[in-house]
Amino acid sequence: SYELTQPPSVSVSPGQTARITCSGDALPKQYAYWYQQKPGQAPVLVIYKDSERPSGIPERFSGSSSGTTVTLTISGVQAEDEADYYCQSADSSGTIGVFGGGTKLTVL
Amino acid sequence: EVQLVESGGGLVQPGGSLRLSCAASGFTVSSNYMSWVRQAPGKGLEWVSVIYSGGSTYYADSVKGRFTISRHNSKNTLYLQMNSLRAEDTAVYYCARGIAVAGHYYYGMDVWGQGTTVTVSS
Repeated sequence: SYELTQPPSVSVSPGQTARITCSGDALPKQYAYWYQQKPGQAPVLVIYKDSERPSGIPERFSGSSSGTTVTLTISGVQAEDEADYYCQSADSSGTIGVFGGGTKLTVL
Repeated sequence: EVQLVESGGGLVQPGGSLRLSCAASGFTVSSNYMSWVRQAPGKGLEWVSVIYSGGSTYYADSVKGRFTISRHNSKNTLYLQMNSLRAEDTAVYYCARGIAVAGHYYYGMDVWGQGTTVTVSS
């Protein structure tokens, strides 16, 4: 079955830039989405269609795509950004959804 | 206000069945892609199933043949019928609305419920 690969953890100091990658063979063909999840809470969409930001999401969150890898970038990381981040997309047929394994962002 | 509220979770024995419900408000379930996503204790998110606005349905391999997604248009409610439950189905189950932009529908999800917990154990 199709898989998306994320690093298990990323650590940054406040004010620095965090980059979280997500790799998958179908990403050149299918859009990617990014979610933030804090403990005990439902996920929140932070990036859609690779690089679009929903209303209400701070400008420090951005997304990009290059070949089989998409990247979530958080500029000027704040303590409140500490959370688990998941990428999501669909398989090459566009019918079966898939999530990456998640990346724990630690703000030092 | 756009909102999703899940219900129907609980404790069930292996091999048993359960039906989850997801009541929507502020938008029309039948006009959007609607999905179920689950999260086992201490684990990541797992995509489970989707129903298109046109009625087509798709499932993850892990639940195919055991779970059925459906909706009741007049009740504006999404369902997940779960049969032949296994211990590995234990998770928080979320329903979520698919993104719709200018008449186009996407697999990303912009509105999530708070989740309902399913525990499969004897």
